[in-house]
Amino acid sequence: NAGVTQTPKFRILKIGQSMTLQCTQDMNHNYMYWYRQDPGMGLKLIYYSVGAGITDKGEVPNGYNVSRSTTEDFPLRLELAAPSQTSVYFCASSLPSGGGSGTQYFGPGTRLTVL
Amino acid sequence: AQKVTQAQTEISVVEKEDVTLDCVYETRDTTYYLFWYKQPPSGELVFLIRRNSFDEQNEISGRYSWNFQKSTSSFNFTITASQVVDSAVYFCALHDNTDKLIFGTGTRLQVFP
Repeated sequence: NAGVTQTPKFRILKIGQSMTLQCTQDMNHNYMYWYRQDPGMGLKLIYYSVGAGITDKGEVPNGYNVSRSTTEDFPLRLELAAPSQTSVYFCASSLPSGGGSGTQYFGPGTRLTVL
Repeated sequence: AQKVTQAQTEISVVEKEDVTLDCVYETRDTTYYLFWYKQPPSGELVFLIRRNSFDEQNEISGRYSWNFQKSTSSFNFTITASQVVDSAVYFCALHDNTDKLIFGTGTRLQVFP
């Protein structure tokens, strides 16, 4: 049981490049989330999904896109990378709080630098 | 609006001291959940505790204890006899009725030997 896995761990992008951050969970969780954490700050929600085929915007969605074709995978796409997207990105998953604990379990993070 | 405030940006203690990390929340929901996560220097986020709004019992787990008080909208975290390994950033978070977590800005705890 690997929990939540993220790839890559580190990445450096040039301004204008695109990339996809991968996230996979093996806990059969319905809900998945993407957060970013800027230096010295808390986490801000980018996008989330309550199930396959359903995604919704969080607090800071601009410059990102997501898709959820399976329960396990929730990739985050950066289009036209900008220096403001330099951050650490965390993926998380959970069961819904109604029928489950609602506790979010996090992946190890991806450290992205845009130069 | 939902909000979590961790007023202490950074706390420094010497090993074996007790330390309390404060967390104050705002919500209009009657059903909600509160969490604490630990982020050690390695960067991962480690779940510590979840408390629902109907359970005001304090909880103790080893050297860790949590004091939930609805009357003051607080969910404070105490580490007894702190150790160097407790050095980390600690986040308090509120789970709203849309299953989204709202995080505080974190408190950096440094425990010196």
